[in-house]
Amino acid sequence: AQTVTQSQPEMSVQEAETVTLSCTYDTSESNYYLFWYKQPPSRQMILVIRQEAYKQQNATENRFSVNFQKAAKSFSLKISDSQLGDTAMYFCAFMKHLRVPSGGSNYKLTFGKGTLLTVNP
Amino acid sequence: NAGVTQTPKFQVLKTGQSMTLQCAQDMNHEYMSWYRQDPGMGLRLIHYSVGAGITDQGEVPNGYNVSRSTTEDFPLRLLSAAPSQTSVYFCASSYRSIGGQVLAEAFFGQGTRLTVV
Repeated sequence: AQTVTQSQPEMSVQEAETVTLSCTYDTSESNYYLFWYKQPPSRQMILVIRQEAYKQQNATENRFSVNFQKAAKSFSLKISDSQLGDTAMYFCAFMKHLRVPSGGSNYKLTFGKGTLLTVNP
Repeated sequence: NAGVTQTPKFQVLKTGQSMTLQCAQDMNHEYMSWYRQDPGMGLRLIHYSVGAGITDQGEVPNGYNVSRSTTEDFPLRLLSAAPSQTSVYFCASSYRSIGGQVLAEAFFGQGTRLTVV
């Protein structure tokens, strides 16, 4: 079974500064996906960034980037130029890389417990 | 394009009552799932489905039932509500790419806040 650990329950950062959220995971799989999801006070779950484990290049999406260390099983999220709208709960998540026909199983997202990020003006 | 629609958004139940949380998606996604979110626990998988007529259990299936008669709909039934089922519930869907690979991005509904008293 996979596990995802977010060791920082809460973090805060000043507007315009950079912050890094940590995530580690445990798996015996060699190929998989990793994600960061954002949940603002509206409760909506929003995909921030996705990383495929077979890709060595770290994913980036505008102000969001990851530091993916496969050997260390680490997947941190860096937010640059933090904005007030970045205030949210952030979840790290894991999924196996599957090729399944209809009727296959093991489609599961495993989430960490989340990090509450507050951006201060 | 509505995406994933969950109803209701809020619900209060008495212990022992039953109800169904509705989830519908209009993206022709094969994969649908239900999660519950509790403080300090992240999201935990309740049940999931890889296509019409096919369902399977997740981490925390007890007290819940699902069915998938169509691609679009994936309702979650609480058989006899208990206070331990007080939570926020999310439905999510995803799809398989043409090459057979599961495209892992999950599209979430807006959640249902359920309180059992």
